[in-house]
Amino acid sequence: GAVVSQHPSRVICKSGTSVKIECRSLDFQATTMFWYRQFPKQSLMLMATSNEGSKATYEQGVEKDKFLINHASLTLSTLTVTSAHPEDSSFYICSAIRWDTRFQETQYFGPGTRLLVL
Amino acid sequence: DQQVKQNSPSLSVQEGRISILNCDYTNSMFDYFLWYKKYPAEGPTFLISISSIKDKNEDGRFTVFLNKSAKHLSLHIVPSQPGDSAVYFCAASANFGNEKLTFGTGTRLTIIP
Repeated sequence: GAVVSQHPSRVICKSGTSVKIECRSLDFQATTMFWYRQFPKQSLMLMATSNEGSKATYEQGVEKDKFLINHASLTLSTLTVTSAHPEDSSFYICSAIRWDTRFQETQYFGPGTRLLVL
Repeated sequence: DQQVKQNSPSLSVQEGRISILNCDYTNSMFDYFLWYKKYPAEGPTFLISISSIKDKNEDGRFTVFLNKSAKHLSLHIVPSQPGDSAVYFCAASANFGNEKLTFGTGTRLTIIP
């Protein structure tokens, strides 16, 4: 089945540094990918929609200058957390959309990246 | 290796009847399970959850059942309404929800008026 990978799976960094997280669709092309931030227990917040070849669409309240998204190819989207602070510590999850021949979409989630900012 | 599986990609149910969405998992470390509902062009929204210390959790029209021995959970929606038409994702986590969510691939539910 379709697989979406994320790298790294976990990262620890110092406050003020930037961290890049990659999201790859391994066996299909994805013109659309999503980035989510997971909050404790249940809340999954959509941060932005990443579109190949164009600028990402950010949700209200998400700082585009802090969370840089680049969808450089049909299989890769990156999220860069710039000048990370401890409050940015979280799980970040990406997903990718695959369209089938009937124009039905299936969303595949990545395994997530745990970011810890010290 | 898909640790959370939703084997039915789609389901159609008559309005007013019961919708049953199924989910299986393989990782025995999972102890917290969630269902999300997703409309097109929107992110998934949390619907209902269940901890492994329970086998049933009910919230209005939505009930989630957990069978730990079978590593299976199901979401029941009764009565089904047209607004329930959406994609439903099952997700699982370890450490009672404090670890990363692992998602299934979703089931598209269509409620027929």
